[in-house]
Amino acid sequence: DAGVIQSPRHEVTEMGQEVTLRCKPISGHDYLFWYRQTMMRGLELLIYFNNNVPIDDSGMPEDRFSAKMPNASFSTLKIQPSEPRDSAVYFCASSPSGGFGTDTQYFGPGTRLTVL
Amino acid sequence: AQSVSQHNHHVILSEAASLELGCNYSYGGTVNLFWYVQYPGQHLQLLLKYFSGDPLVKGIKGFEAEFIKSKFSFNLRKPSVQWSDTAEYFCAVKGQAGTALIFGKGTTLSVSS
Repeated sequence: DAGVIQSPRHEVTEMGQEVTLRCKPISGHDYLFWYRQTMMRGLELLIYFNNNVPIDDSGMPEDRFSAKMPNASFSTLKIQPSEPRDSAVYFCASSPSGGFGTDTQYFGPGTRLTVL
Repeated sequence: AQSVSQHNHHVILSEAASLELGCNYSYGGTVNLFWYVQYPGQHLQLLLKYFSGDPLVKGIKGFEAEFIKSKFSFNLRKPSVQWSDTAEYFCAVKGQAGTALIFGKGTTLSVSS
């Protein structure tokens, strides 16, 4: 298995532009998570999906952020418009269904976003 | 609300030194506990996890962690570190009522050869 795949690996954009981050979870995993990592705040959960349905989006910072999971093998995190304070590494992770609470999350390589 | 506290922001050790990284959590119920490692330029990888049973958990690369329920702690240990252990280490907790991981801020370990 190729693991969790994220694209792009690096994104540099200007303030005000729309940014779309992509994630392909491990095949067969029912849960997908989006995290943001910054020096100041560490790793924060933004949103997670179960069977393509958003379950908890309380970590999404503002209405500028949106996430979708149109099918079991693809998810996007969109920022529109982007701001310099959105600069961070964004990780996607997935985990299988199974024993409730016992699943391990597998992380992708992350997308390093820089907003100028 | 759940939270995770990692005591050390940056630890510097020489090769062969012993390592202990502290992790405390706050959560009133049954928890699942994890240590993840992030090597430079790489993604997070699971080091070890505790769900139930023996509170001393052994993970990959010679790491172990001990769950002490009375102290709400899950400290990571390694008896003899190597230069290749240089990385950032994250403690995480997940309550059985939900599936989201709550991470600590991380500890950067630098090992000099």
